Amino acid sequence: AQTVTQSQPEMSVQEAETVTLSCTYDTSENNYYLFWYKQPPSRQMILVIRQEAYKQQNATENRFSVNFQKAAKSFSLKISDSQLGDTAMYFCASMNQAGTALIFGKGTTLSVSS
Amino acid sequence: EAGVTQFPSHSVIEKGQTVTLRCDPISGHDNLYWYRRVMGKEIKFLLHFVKESKQDESGMPNNRFLAERTGGTYSTLKVQPAELEDSGVYFCASSQELGGTNEKLFFGSGTQLSVL
Repeated sequence: AQTVTQSQPEMSVQEAETVTLSCTYDTSENNYYLFWYKQPPSRQMILVIRQEAYKQQNATENRFSVNFQKAAKSFSLKISDSQLGDTAMYFCASMNQAGTALIFGKGTTLSVSS
Repeated sequence: EAGVTQFPSHSVIEKGQTVTLRCDPISGHDNLYWYRRVMGKEIKFLLHFVKESKQDESGMPNNRFLAERTGGTYSTLKVQPAELEDSGVYFCASSQELGGTNEKLFFGSGTQLSVL
């Protein structure tokens, strides 16, 4: 069975600094997808970034980038130049190639302060 | 373009009562998913519709939960009778494609269900 583990329940960072959120996963699939979702206080889950497991190049989306280590089954999220609006709960998730369901971690609450 | 909408945003009911949650996916999205997050735990998959058909309902906790998607448009999730442990946030998501490189799930804001 697929599992996703986020070992950091809470993180804090100051504006303009860089923060890295950790995520490890376990899957028996050969092809799969990994995601980071953000849930701000408005509660709407927003896709931050996605990574196809067969791609070696780390995905980037503006200030957000991932460090994907396939052999180690690690998928960390780096947020550069943190902004107050980045304050949210961040969920790491995996999906098999069939796309039938997301498996989520427990989430990391990130607080960005000025 | 309208996103995934869920109604109600909050629901407070007593144990033993019935509650129906509604999800309107993005227009044209054949795939519709229900997820649930119980306080302090992971977001868990409940079920997946492709159009009006249940593709996978392996995550449904028990027979007190009934999901429907008549006509392949909006979906309802009914809990009858509700128990204390059903409290949590119920998320709906939809996607146009199933799997593949363009797979993107769009989530609603969820329904916060409190069973007292």
